[in-house]
Amino acid sequence: QKEVEQNSGPLSVPEGAIASLNCTYSDRGSQSFFWYRQYSGKSPELIMSIYSNGDKEDGRFTAQLNKASQYVSLLIRDSQPSDSATYLCAVTNTGGFKTIFGAGTRLFVKA
Amino acid sequence: KAGVTQTPRYLIKTRGQQVTLSCSPISGHRSVSWYQQTPGQGLQFLFEYFSETQRNKGNFPGRFSGRQFSNSRSEMNVSTLELGDSALYLCASSLVGGSNNEQFFGPGTRLTVL
Repeated sequence: QKEVEQNSGPLSVPEGAIASLNCTYSDRGSQSFFWYRQYSGKSPELIMSIYSNGDKEDGRFTAQLNKASQYVSLLIRDSQPSDSATYLCAVTNTGGFKTIFGAGTRLFVKA
Repeated sequence: KAGVTQTPRYLIKTRGQQVTLSCSPISGHRSVSWYQQTPGQGLQFLFEYFSETQRNKGNFPGRFSGRQFSNSRSEMNVSTLELGDSALYLCASSLVGGSNNEQFFGPGTRLTVL
């Protein structure tokens, strides 16, 4: 079992729709969870961080965390073509000095 | 505030050579992590440094090593290069690392081994 698993996609949604990206992790002691966006040829950029169960909203982005189910998700509302990128889920391990990244989900937003 | 910088941006080496990559973190950030990114394996954790000490290491052979200086700048070294070492090497900095570890990435160094 991979430490952090994501559906590789591609996930295709029409402009204006909600894109839902999912991630599961194996280390029950993990405390910190992150979503990064990576455009082709660029380095990852941090979108959201979440540390406690529930929802966290920032603009069009909502991160959801369920530690009991070891599940993290990212919702993108009103998706735009500029949101087309690879979205990486990252989890910091117990102890906190190592961050494991999922393989990423490719998102395409069709105009 | 300036972002994370990495030098060089591109490198071409041949098998058996060694290479040193450099990373300057965001001012005030004391934790530096290194990652290797390839199309097949994704982002793989190499190691993390804080206050000149390696706190964690990923599953890479001993040919991969790193260090951090007192000004938080970090270098990583790969000796006896292999074709499979061709990758994008990314450095990320954070304030102190640990559990609230929001990391900010540099542009990366693209290493090609021929």
